[in-house]
Amino acid sequence: GAVVSQHPSWVICKSGTSVKIECRSLDFQATTMFWYRQFPKQSLMLMATSNEGSKATYEQGVEKDKFLINHASLTLSTLTVTSAHPEDSSFYICSARGDYLSYEQYFGPGTRLTVT
Amino acid sequence: EDQVTQSPEALRLQEGESSSLNCSYTVSGLRGLFWYRQDPGKGPEFLFTLYSAGEEKEKERLKATLTKKESFLHITAPKPEDSATYLCAVRTSGGYNKLIFGAGTRLAVHP
Repeated sequence: GAVVSQHPSWVICKSGTSVKIECRSLDFQATTMFWYRQFPKQSLMLMATSNEGSKATYEQGVEKDKFLINHASLTLSTLTVTSAHPEDSSFYICSARGDYLSYEQYFGPGTRLTVT
Repeated sequence: EDQVTQSPEALRLQEGESSSLNCSYTVSGLRGLFWYRQDPGKGPEFLFTLYSAGEEKEKERLKATLTKKESFLHITAPKPEDSATYLCAVRTSGGYNKLIFGAGTRLAVHP
């Protein structure tokens, strides 16, 4: 139980284009989803928290107009990186929490974004 | 400011050589401490949640313990497949759902 998937697993895009990453909870309803980014050999940095049907809460320093988050249903959240630049290249990981899971977060497998 | 510090940064063990990883925290009201395992290029895998000092949880060769200021992840007779980065995270009373992660300990177990 508590399986989270992400799509795509890796993506290469050109500078200036937008990329959408999907995060799905496969066997539970995720009331809250989280988006992290991780640089090589570093820990996870929380970007934003989203609750189904409401606007995401972004962490300090994260540009909300650049990283658009939508949590339209209890099983799907999307992260869109708009006008991507090489410095946006990173490993993006989502996690999800359902009410019955207490406060554990279950993570997706991650998406490797490379902007050329 | 809430902080989570993990040590050592990296640990190399021989197969069968037991050891412990440390996670120390300074937070305003602990509402849960979480251990995760992360393999290269993958998302973290949930291992344990601890809520109160004195609590212990076990899973195969792993045992997690919690005191008022730190948590230990004990690895007994590790195998090469235990090689991974182990992450510690805390949930605080002021952070609602958010987890604050430590930098992790990179464990390598050699045959």
